[in-house]
Amino acid sequence: KQEVTQIPAALSVPEGENLVLNCSFTDSAIYNLQWFRQDPGKGLTSLLLIQSSQREQTSGRLNASLDKSSGRSTLYIAASQPGDSATYLCAVEGGSYIPTFGRGTSLIVHP
Amino acid sequence: DGGITQSPKYLFRKEGQNVTLSCEQNLNHDAMYWYRQDPGQGLRLIYYSQIVNDFQKGDIAEGYSVSREKKESFPLTVTSAQKNPTAFYLCATRRGKGGTDTQYFGPGTRLTVL
Repeated sequence: KQEVTQIPAALSVPEGENLVLNCSFTDSAIYNLQWFRQDPGKGLTSLLLIQSSQREQTSGRLNASLDKSSGRSTLYIAASQPGDSATYLCAVEGGSYIPTFGRGTSLIVHP
Repeated sequence: DGGITQSPKYLFRKEGQNVTLSCEQNLNHDAMYWYRQDPGQGLRLIYYSQIVNDFQKGDIAEGYSVSREKKESFPLTVTSAQKNPTAFYLCATRRGKGGTDTQYFGPGTRLTVL
């Protein structure tokens, strides 16, 4: 059974810092990997989706990479801002087409 | 105004009662999902439906029931058999069954058992 781990569980950084969130998964037979953002008490918003044949995806200050063979993905956030404060969740999808979610990284960016 | 609507936003239930959480979408998506989220936990799948009049159990279906009579609607009933129902419930939709499409999430319903 697929297991998804996110490290660190929580992170607090000063504004302007570049930061990396990590996601690892146990079964490398995946179709895609997604990064989501969740604000407190809200639903999830998709940030980036990486297909298994891709190595990375970029959107604005966000860059996500995928190394399927090692079972790892990173989400890079450049020049962090207080508005980036949220929980970031990673989800991987295999042959069942049902995503498996990690527990998330809670990020606080302080001014 | 397109999107996913979940109601109510907050729901309080007495022990022994059944309650139904609503999820409606006007995105014309085929697939719909129900997740449960507990503090500090990832999302756990309760039920999903990839087509009208068909649905499948997820990892934690016990104590829950669903129906999919219309493409737009996927209500979740939390029955009295669910021993610890206090949680945040999220509904999601997807255009197809997966692979290349992202999931879209509703705003959630917070259920509290009194």
